[in-house]
Amino acid sequence: AQTVTQSQPEMSVQEAETVTLSCTYDTSESDYYLFWYKQPPSRQMILVIRQEAYKQQNATENRFSVNFQKAAKSFSLKISDSQLGDAAMYFCAYTTAEYGNKLVFGAGTILRVKS
Amino acid sequence: DSGVTQTPKHLITATGQRVTLRCSPRSGDLSVYWYQQSLDQGLQFLIQYYNGEERAKGNILERFSAQQFPDLHSELNLSSLELGDSALYFCASSVTPSGEYEQYFGPGTRLTVT
Repeated sequence: AQTVTQSQPEMSVQEAETVTLSCTYDTSESDYYLFWYKQPPSRQMILVIRQEAYKQQNATENRFSVNFQKAAKSFSLKISDSQLGDAAMYFCAYTTAEYGNKLVFGAGTILRVKS
Repeated sequence: DSGVTQTPKHLITATGQRVTLRCSPRSGDLSVYWYQQSLDQGLQFLIQYYNGEERAKGNILERFSAQQFPDLHSELNLSSLELGDSALYFCASSVTPSGEYEQYFGPGTRLTVT
C-alpha cells in the first residue's frame, strides 16, 4: 500500500526567510503524481504545487518549489520569502491511476510564520 | 472559491441518527471524491464516483454510503452515527479520474455527533 510520511509535525520560520517541509513516500508504481496542499485556518484545501513523476525537472510556483528525488522517494517543499499568509497546515499527497487517482495524504506539517 | 459546493456547512446531530451531506462538483467535472478529516485518522479517502458509477472505495464504513446522480451532484449518507464519526467531510471533483487533473476541494461539511 502506498504511504506518505511527513516527519515534521510542526515547523517555524521567520517572515521573509526560507523554510523546507519534508515528505517521503512509498510506492512500487512508476507513474504517479505528487502534490502539496495548504490548509489555512479556514480549513479550505488549496493546491500549492504538483509534480509528475515522469518529469525530472522540479516544479515551481512563484515562491514555492519542490525538490523531487525519485530514487529516494522524497518530495520536499521549499517556501521562499515566507509571508504571514503562508501559516497553515501543509499536506503532502500522492496519487496514481492504479488506485483510481484517490489522494493519499501524509499527516501534515503545521507551519508557523513569525513576524 | 474552488467552484465545488458542499451543504450544509455545519451539522450537529445525535448518536444513532442519519445525515446526508451534499456536494455539487465544478461545472464540467465528472469525477467526485469524498474524504474524511478527523483528528485521529487524518485525511482519508472514502469513495469515488465517475459519471454516476462508483469507481473506487477506500476506508468507508458499511454504515456510510454514497451516490452520484445524473446531474453529477453527489450525496454521502452517514447512518447509525457514532461519536467517532465527528469530522470534517470534504468533497472534491476533477474532470476525469486521472492524476493529471487537479482535484478541487469544496469547503467541507463539519459534522459533530453528540
